[in-house]
Amino acid sequence: GAVVSQHPSWVICKSGTSVKIECRSLDFQATTMFWYRQFPKQSLMLMATSNEGSKATYEQGVEKDKFLINHASLTLSTLTVTSAHPEDSSFYICSAGRLETQYFGPGTRLLVL
Amino acid sequence: DQQVKQNSPSLSVQEGRISILNCDYTNSMFDYFLWYKKYPAEGPTFLISISSIKDKNEDGRFTVFLNKSAKHLSLHIVPSQPGDSAVYFCAVIQGAQKLVFGQGTRLTINP
Repeated sequence: GAVVSQHPSWVICKSGTSVKIECRSLDFQATTMFWYRQFPKQSLMLMATSNEGSKATYEQGVEKDKFLINHASLTLSTLTVTSAHPEDSSFYICSAGRLETQYFGPGTRLLVL
Repeated sequence: DQQVKQNSPSLSVQEGRISILNCDYTNSMFDYFLWYKKYPAEGPTFLISISSIKDKNEDGRFTVFLNKSAKHLSLHIVPSQPGDSAVYFCAVIQGAQKLVFGQGTRLTINP
């Protein structure tokens, strides 16, 4: 099946710094990639949908200036958490593909101290 | 407001028996439902889906049942195997734009 990778798998950073997470489709091209966030004991929540070459569409309540998404190629999307704070600590997971057939990456655990 | 609910955070089943995972949803307009399986340190993988025009879909040991009047979805795994131990998420497609997930149920298959 299709493979999606994420890097890094986990990251610890200081409050106020920015963190970039990469999402790559390894063996297929993805026009659309999705970014999700999962807090403990909660469901995966869609943050934004990114389409290659255009601006991302953010879900209600997700700050686009804080969570910068770039989808510059058909195999790479990046999520940058700017000026991270402890409340941004979460599990971030990306997926690629069509809406009903998304292939998920393994996720990135972010801890902001 | 949780639109998709999995009320059982965990389930333990003996190997060889049937596992039944349940999911409730609130919006009768949802018309496509999916189940995903997730192992630790891996992303969710698609398992099986069902359209609202059906009430049952079967794929090997996995069967999904849809009860539209009750807004209830269930996944049956029979016979259960140790490799089925994982977290299972149900999800719906909302507005043809996004997936909305339940909280997940951790299934443990005991030998």
